[in-house]
Amino acid sequence: LAKTTQPISMDSYEGQEVNITCSHNNIATNDYITWYQQFPSQGPRFIIQGYKTKVTNEVASLFIPADRKSSTLSLPRVSLSDTAVYYCLLLSGGYNKLIFGAGTRLAVHP
Amino acid sequence: ETGVTQTPRHLVMGMTNKKSLKCEQHLGHNAMYWYKQSAKKPLELMFVYNFKEQTENNSVPSRFSPECPNSSHLFLHLHTLQPEDSALYLCASSQGQGTGELFFGEGSRLTVL
Repeated sequence: LAKTTQPISMDSYEGQEVNITCSHNNIATNDYITWYQQFPSQGPRFIIQGYKTKVTNEVASLFIPADRKSSTLSLPRVSLSDTAVYYCLLLSGGYNKLIFGAGTRLAVHP
Repeated sequence: ETGVTQTPRHLVMGMTNKKSLKCEQHLGHNAMYWYKQSAKKPLELMFVYNFKEQTENNSVPSRFSPECPNSSHLFLHLHTLQPEDSALYLCASSQGQGTGELFFGEGSRLTVL
């Protein structure tokens, strides 16, 4: 099983940029790096997905170095509503990839 | 609104009861999943269905019985549960099994007394 490692928790303040790094040393060639956000008592919500280099959408950016052994989710100018758990997953079509780790609990303070 | 609807949102049951959780997706996806999330624990994958066929059972006790009558509906039948089965049960769907974006429902909060 490919495994991802993330920090357990992070703290930030409103207006700051937050970078959450995920390690995936055993990433396979056909794995896509995918990030989800989960608020309490809700299902996770897709944020962003990428394969290499950089991907940006309206809510986040994803930076992936050439060796793909890690990735960084960047949240620009966070607000209190960004307080949530963020999960990094590797998806490539096998059920064994659909395993969520503990995620990173981000707390944004006023 | 994710296109995946779960009912009921909250359920309280005794250990001898039989109840069912329902999931419906309106996205035209062909893969559906049940996850369990206990307090302060990561999501645990329980079952995977692809084109109505169960493709994975992640060592789930037999007191949890899934049913997938078609690609749009997924049920989780519950019987003789234990208090430790109390959790948030999440349904998800995707276009392909394990690929792309998983769309999750809001979950069904189950309490076993």
